[in-house]
Amino acid sequence: DGGITQSPKYLFRKEGQNVTLSCEQNLNHDAMYWYRQDPGQGLRLIYYSQIVNDFQKGDIAEGYSVSREKKESFPLTVTSAQKNPTAFYLCASSIDSASTDTQYFGPGTRLTVL
Amino acid sequence: GQNIDQPTEMTATEGAIVQINCTYQTSGFNGLFWYQQHAGEAPTFLSYNVLDGLEEKGRFSSFLSRSKGYSYLLLKELQMKDSASYLCAVSHVRTSGTYKYIFGTGTRLKVLA
Repeated sequence: DGGITQSPKYLFRKEGQNVTLSCEQNLNHDAMYWYRQDPGQGLRLIYYSQIVNDFQKGDIAEGYSVSREKKESFPLTVTSAQKNPTAFYLCASSIDSASTDTQYFGPGTRLTVL
Repeated sequence: GQNIDQPTEMTATEGAIVQINCTYQTSGFNGLFWYQQHAGEAPTFLSYNVLDGLEEKGRFSSFLSRSKGYSYLLLKELQMKDSASYLCAVSHVRTSGTYKYIFGTGTRLKVLA
């Protein structure tokens, strides 16, 4: 079955700790994306990657970092510099970002900072 | 700038028809998507419009008017399971030539028995 997986589904972190959220896809998609969703707000783009070993900042990249060492994987690290990290994080992928391709989403990770 | 507006909440009765509107302002418009999102879950793709007109897919239809910057999602024969948030998203071309989605805040639909 092709799809996008994110783990864990729920994550708790103490203030001041870095935490990494996993995103894996087996759809053979080139482009991958990380979004953050907060109540009453639309999805906001954190980082995106068009191809392996390349990634670009989105609208709210401060306090986050990513890597794209493999086509299938696009992990997101929430660093201690992110002032308000409690949110629902969604990973998505599309065939590429050079055309209007449908983005498909993973199940999400809900991060809570204690 | 880029902007998308949709109502925050709507309520409808099982078996009825509901229309969820979305207006947008963007440069480099290249298509409009509708997604359904149940609470705590991932958005799932419903429809895509790039040309003016109506696209029908079973109980769901989506309409686009590019000149008016307007779209709607029409849900017929509402079922309880249709209670969810409906996200409008616009694809536009960045200066780099790649495409970016702008998401609306979503419309939370409650279907009542």
